[in-house]
Amino acid sequence: AQTVTQSQPEMSVQEAETVTLSCTYDTSESDYYLFWYKQPPSRQMILVIRQEAYKQQNATENRFSVNFQKAAKSFSLKISDSQLGDAAMYFCAYRTRNYGGSQGNLIFGKGTKLSVKP
Amino acid sequence: KAGVTQTPRYLIKTRGQQVTLSCSPISGHRSVSWYQQTPGQGLQFLFEYFSETQRNKGNFPGRFSGRQFSNSRSEMNVSTLELGDSALYLCASRIGQGGSYEQYFGPGTRLTVT
Repeated sequence: AQTVTQSQPEMSVQEAETVTLSCTYDTSESDYYLFWYKQPPSRQMILVIRQEAYKQQNATENRFSVNFQKAAKSFSLKISDSQLGDAAMYFCAYRTRNYGGSQGNLIFGKGTKLSVKP
Repeated sequence: KAGVTQTPRYLIKTRGQQVTLSCSPISGHRSVSWYQQTPGQGLQFLFEYFSETQRNKGNFPGRFSGRQFSNSRSEMNVSTLELGDSALYLCASRIGQGGSYEQYFGPGTRLTVT
């Protein structure tokens, strides 16, 4: 079974600085998707960025980028120029690409609570 | 387009009772998934419905059940509530069943069991 681990329960960053959130996963599959979701306090969970395992190029979305190391099964999120609105719980998630079976569900890490200091 | 909506947003129930939560997906989305979020266990997958059929199920007891209607709206039911069922229940919808389709989450229903 696949597992996702986020080893940093809490992180803090100064406004305008850069922070990196860590995520490792375990799987025997070769093709899958990885995601970072953001859940602000009392607000809906939204997708921040996603990575397809067969793509070697790291995904980037504006100030958010990932460092995907497939061999090491590592998927970290870098937030540049941090803003107060980035304060939230961040969840790393895995989904199989294989059709059939458990392709529908996301497997989440326990999350990292990010605080942004003004 | 309207986002995923969940009703009710907050619910307080007593042990032993049953509860039904509702989820309306984004228009055109045919897949609905349910997740339970607790401080201790984190986010755990309950089940997914697509075209009114349960396609995938997580590791939860039979007290947790669901269904999907022809308009893609979904309900989940928890019978014989236990204190440990207190959680935020999230619903997520997506257009199709393939792994590439993005899931959009609703605001959740906060269930408190006393």
